[in-house]
Amino acid sequence: EAGVAQSPRYKIIEKRQSVAFWCNPISGHATLYWYQQILGQGPKLLIQFQNNGVVDDSQLPKDRFSAERLKGVDSTLKIQPAKLEDSAVYLCASSLEEGGLTEAFFGQGTRLTVV
Amino acid sequence: QQQVKQSPQSLIVQKGGISIINCAYENTAFDYFPWYQQFPGKGPALLIAIRPDVSEKKEGRFTISFNKSAKQFSLHIMDSQPGDSATYFCAARGSSSSNTGKLIFGQGTTLQVKP
Repeated sequence: EAGVAQSPRYKIIEKRQSVAFWCNPISGHATLYWYQQILGQGPKLLIQFQNNGVVDDSQLPKDRFSAERLKGVDSTLKIQPAKLEDSAVYLCASSLEEGGLTEAFFGQGTRLTVV
Repeated sequence: QQQVKQSPQSLIVQKGGISIINCAYENTAFDYFPWYQQFPGKGPALLIAIRPDVSEKKEGRFTISFNKSAKQFSLHIMDSQPGDSATYFCAARGSSSSNTGKLIFGQGTTLQVKP
């Protein structure tokens, strides 16, 4: 079974630029998550999708972050404009059941550096 | 407040020793408590998980101890090996409809097992 795929693996941008991350979850997984992991901290949930609907985006900085999940499969997370404090690893995860009530599988993440 | 507090931040153990990592939570609506293991450059991977209706779960060298009244749970790694050197995160997930599937992570513990 293929895992959660994310791209790119690394990205370096200047502050105020925009960036986009892509995630392809495990086939058939209804729930998709985007987490932000700042160095030395635990992952923090940014947004959770169930199929193509948003379940929770309470911690997404909506003035600069946006996310979508097209047709309930792939997802993109965008930051525009980026700030220095956005430097982090962005993790995508997916789980099989609706509501995320099964194990969440994580991708390898995209390491973003904002300079 | 939906927080999970984890300690210690870092841990050094000799090969063959016991590694113990502790977590405490506040929200009594949490109903699932997983531990994740993360190696550098990789996403977190589920190690072992427990539900609050049992006080202990063991899988190989890994054991979760759960104290519902104290709202605490811990990970014990018996016969620690250098290959166990990684960052460990505890997490908690709520059962309420407003928190469906949302995993709250602790701050992480970096474990180093010396040969």
